[in-house]
Amino acid sequence: DARVTQTPRDKVTEMGQEVTMRCQPILGHNTVFWYRQTMMQGLELLAYFRNRAPLDDSGMPKDRFSAEMPDATLATLKIQPSEPRDSAVYFCASGSLVTDTQYFGPGTRLTVL
Amino acid sequence: QQPVQSPQAVILREGEDAVINCSSSKALYSVHWYRQKHGEAPVFLMILLKGGEQKGHEKISASFNEKKQQSSLYLTASQLSYSGTYFCGTELTTDSWGKLQFGAGTQVVVTP
Repeated sequence: DARVTQTPRDKVTEMGQEVTMRCQPILGHNTVFWYRQTMMQGLELLAYFRNRAPLDDSGMPKDRFSAEMPDATLATLKIQPSEPRDSAVYFCASGSLVTDTQYFGPGTRLTVL
Repeated sequence: QQPVQSPQAVILREGEDAVINCSSSKALYSVHWYRQKHGEAPVFLMILLKGGEQKGHEKISASFNEKKQQSSLYLTASQLSYSGTYFCGTELTTDSWGKLQFGAGTQVVVTP
């Protein structure tokens, strides 16, 4: 049963520290999404890639967030420096035109103290 | 523009029916429905494409009214396992495939 995997599952860090979250999309999926979920804002799309190329990162705070896809099996989301307001669950999802939708990973729960 | 979901929450007894609506102010290409249980990831239920088709997943079905730019999710003869938060995700064009705007969610609680 193919699944999106994310690491770490939980991360607690102090304000100002760098945070890197990783995602392995489902093999064969060419589109990868990064979402942030909070009680106040709900599910927000931060960025997405197709065939490893960034298509849209307009939802991402540019000054501190960066997203990359170094190869087809790995997507990363980095926050530097982290702030308490970044505390949220970050989901990665993958999909393709064949699947016609996207499948979510288990998420990384980030707490910034 | 985020779609608007209603109601915000609904409490059902097992076996009862419910309808969740998802409305957009813009013309839609597709509507995706997901269910999320507490502490878990959203799970895909179904997709409806422009054209007003209706789909089903077990006793959960959905419709897409293109004239109203609204999709409705129908929970029929609800089961305890239907509890969770239901999200609709809307897609405006095929050019932006996958770029979904999610509604705020509808919390569904099914009681014995």
